[in-house]
Amino acid sequence: DAGVIQSPRHEVTEMGQEVTLRCKPISGHDYLFWYRQTMMRGLELLIYFNNNVPIDDSGMPEDRFSAKMPNASFSTLKIQPSEPRDSAVYFCASSFQVIFNQPQHFGDGTRLSIL
Amino acid sequence: AQTVTQSQPEMSVQEAETVTLSCTYDTSESDYYLFWYKQPPSRQMILVIRQEAYKQQNATENRFSVNFQKAAKSFSLKISDSQLGDAAMYFCAYRSEDNNDMRFGAGTRLTVKP
Repeated sequence: DAGVIQSPRHEVTEMGQEVTLRCKPISGHDYLFWYRQTMMRGLELLIYFNNNVPIDDSGMPEDRFSAKMPNASFSTLKIQPSEPRDSAVYFCASSFQVIFNQPQHFGDGTRLSIL
Repeated sequence: AQTVTQSQPEMSVQEAETVTLSCTYDTSESDYYLFWYKQPPSRQMILVIRQEAYKQQNATENRFSVNFQKAAKSFSLKISDSQLGDAAMYFCAYRSEDNNDMRFGAGTRLTVKP
């Protein structure tokens, strides 16, 4: 069974450019999460969706960040315009029925470098 | 808001020995879930073990076990018979029963010496 699939694995781009990170959750999972990992701040939850609907985006750092989930099998995290301080590893995770003790399953992450 | 503290930025253990990673958390809730995740150099986040707060019995998964002390708000991870493949960053995580706000500790980097 395929896990959470993220693309690209690595992204290097110049500041000011638009960046789009993609995620395919595990089939059947009804929750999807976007995290950012940096040395300074550790793992931070940016936003999460339930049944494709954004539930909590309070972790999104600023208006340059946006996330969508047009269907149950796909989500994007977009940064426009990108800045060097956005450099981090971005993880997508999914889970099923949060009211139980189901863990979040993580993708392999996207390492983003903004020059 | 809940916070998770891992007070050991780095730990090392000799192969085949036992090591304990510490985790404490702060919460006013009575029902919640605790997790340990492992992040090897490959960057994957792998679930190691989970514990429901309402269960008194400590969770065990093969060589991995926890010491859950609810009153002390402590959730340590014990790795027995350490193997070279155990070398990784280990993150302790807390999740409320009511929402999906999962809080992670800063992580402990574990080195396993041959």
